[in-house]
Amino acid sequence: IAGITQAPTSQILAAGRRMTLRCTQDMRHNAMYWYRQDLGLGLRLIHYSNTAGTTGKGEVPDGYSVSRANTDDFPLTLASAVPSQTSVYFCASSDSGGVADTQYFGPGTRLTVL
Amino acid sequence: GQNIDQPTEMTATEGAIVQINCTYQTSGFNGLFWYQQHAGEAPTFLSYNVLDGLEEKGRFSSFLSRSKGYSYLLLKELQMKDSASYLCAALDSNYQLIWGAGTKLIIKP
Repeated sequence: IAGITQAPTSQILAAGRRMTLRCTQDMRHNAMYWYRQDLGLGLRLIHYSNTAGTTGKGEVPDGYSVSRANTDDFPLTLASAVPSQTSVYFCASSDSGGVADTQYFGPGTRLTVL
Repeated sequence: GQNIDQPTEMTATEGAIVQINCTYQTSGFNGLFWYQQHAGEAPTFLSYNVLDGLEEKGRFSSFLSRSKGYSYLLLKELQMKDSASYLCAALDSNYQLIWGAGTKLIIKP
C-alpha cells in the first residue's frame, strides 16, 4: 500500500536516552518533513529535506537531528530526550520541496519522555 | 511574526452548514491549505487556494481573500463523520507551512 509509515507507533522513554523515530515513504517523493503536534498549538516544523542528501532546519530544530541518505527514509533522532519533547510526531512528504505541493502525512508517533 | 488564527471549537447540527474561518499573517504568501484531522489520526488534505475566490469540491468549499488575509472552509450537509479538527495552514515566502492550532468541529444529531 503506497504511503508513509512511521515507527514506533508509540514509545515511553526515560529522559536522557537517545531515540530514533523512523519514517519511510514509497511514493518517490523528493521532499520530506518532520513535525511535532502539541495540544493547543499548530503543527511545528522540526526539520525538512527537499531532496536526498540535503536537510534544513525548521521552526523548532533544537534537540533533534535528521539525515536523508536516500529518497525513501527520513529518520529523526533525539540525542538526549527531555520531557519537553513529549509530543506526537508526524512525518510528511511531498512531490517537491520549495513549491506549493500537497504534503501527505504518516500516522504519527506518540512519544512520552519521563 | 507569523500567525494563523482560527476558532478553537465549533458545534453544528447534522445536515446543516458550517463555516470555519481562518486569518493569517505571514512573511510572504504562496497559498492556503485546509486539512482534516480525525482524533488520533494524521492530517489529510482537503483544499488549496492561491487565488482569490471560492473553490468548490463536493460538500466542501474553500474561500480565500488575499487582501484581507482571510480564508474560510464551508462544509455543507454535515455528516457525523465530519466531526474532526480542521487545520488551516499558510505557505510563506520560503514555502514552509505555518499552521493554525486547528478548529475542533463537533457534530450533534
